[in-house]
Amino acid sequence: DQQVKQNSPSLSVQEGRISILNCDYTNSMFDYFLWYKKYPAEGPTFLISISSIKDKNEDGRFTVFLNKSAKHLSLHIVPSQPGDSAVYFCAASPTDYYNQGGKLIFGQGTELSVKP
Amino acid sequence: EAQVTQNPRYLITVTGKKLTVTCSQNMNHEYMSWYRQDPGLGLRQIYYSMNVEVTDKGDVPEGYKVSRKEKRNFPLILESPSPNQTSLYFCASREYSGANVLTFGAGSRLTVL
Repeated sequence: DQQVKQNSPSLSVQEGRISILNCDYTNSMFDYFLWYKKYPAEGPTFLISISSIKDKNEDGRFTVFLNKSAKHLSLHIVPSQPGDSAVYFCAASPTDYYNQGGKLIFGQGTELSVKP
Repeated sequence: EAQVTQNPRYLITVTGKKLTVTCSQNMNHEYMSWYRQDPGLGLRQIYYSMNVEVTDKGDVPEGYKVSRKEKRNFPLILESPSPNQTSLYFCASREYSGANVLTFGAGSRLTVL
């Protein structure tokens, strides 16, 4: 069973507009949520994270929102740029870190395309 | 430059021919891990290592082995590869910190015929 889900495989946005990428989770036992960006032929790179005790974290053009009651998080990119075109993965870090092998649990990924 | 280095980046092999994917990090991280990425499944943890000589299975360990004889290296061994191990593999490392941020290598794309 997929504990972290990204239900949109792809998203296309015009340059300068807002990109909203969504992620749902089924388990409440996560203490951090992270977003990674992945370009072709490269490894995932860390973008932004949010603690489960917060509902918003902002870093420049990137903002992550966490709605714990809905078990939902979203990544907003404003304004979107063509260089943002990549696959975005959301990931969750279990609270029982050591028993879970220190792993991150990843969603399936959403491919964002920002058109000039 | 702080990085995780994997080799080979691309490999085509045949069923049953043993292979090793090397992973090295220069950040003095104690924790290292291997993931595989498959379409529709995201990234799944294969094995992890909390420190030298300490390794354990992740979610999808079948058909893989690892070793951690020194802090910087964490090779992934496929003793008898099968076609269902065709995948994109990522090595990752992390220093202990609150947000559990992993640093990933560039990936190794493996095809088993």
